Amino acid sequence: GQQVMQIPQYQHVQEGEDFTTYCNSSTTLSNIQWYKQRPGGHPVFLIQLVKSGEVKKQKRLTFQFGEAKKNSSLHITATQTTDVGTYFCAGRNRGATNKLIFGTGTLLAVQP
Amino acid sequence: DAMVIQNPRYQVTQFGKPVTLSCSQTLNHNVMYWYQQKSSQAPKLLFHYYDKDFNNEADTPDNFQSRRPNTSFCFLDIRSPGLGDTAMYLCATSNEPGGNQPQHFGDGTRLSIL
Repeated sequence: GQQVMQIPQYQHVQEGEDFTTYCNSSTTLSNIQWYKQRPGGHPVFLIQLVKSGEVKKQKRLTFQFGEAKKNSSLHITATQTTDVGTYFCAGRNRGATNKLIFGTGTLLAVQP
Repeated sequence: DAMVIQNPRYQVTQFGKPVTLSCSQTLNHNVMYWYQQKSSQAPKLLFHYYDKDFNNEADTPDNFQSRRPNTSFCFLDIRSPGLGDTAMYLCATSNEPGGNQPQHFGDGTRLSIL
């Protein structure tokens, strides 16, 4: 079945350093979504990418969808302690039934 | 504010004792989902309702059932919980199915089976 893997599983950075998480799907995706889950919290929708090669920015966060629509990345510039949490990508298979497949997640820890 | 509300936030129950988790939404969304999330893992979809149509995932145990009596409410019933069912249970909604709309999650119910 479809698998969506993220690397790294865990990243520890000093506040002010940059951070990137990578999302790779075993199949071509029709779209990719990104969610953030704070410790003890629930996933919160951040953004959706649909077009091949699409890049979107939200303040210090930059999201990219690969040309082949099989991978995506989230880059955070100058991390802050408020960025702590697990970042999940979630993709939908092209032509598949109606569901998102969540990636394995990347836990970000930011040391002040 | 429109939102997704789950009750209770925490539930402790005994092995084999039926338990029901509830979810309500004020977003008037057509789709309601139930996910199971174990520690340090991604949410795993159990099933979803698109309006009144129930869609079960192939690997969801028979022990897990769901009801959606109206647009606003959805319930997760675990008939005979086992120790392996200890997890966070997340309810989510979206306007349409198909994974091309954002999903809005509740705060979750943290279920412990003793």
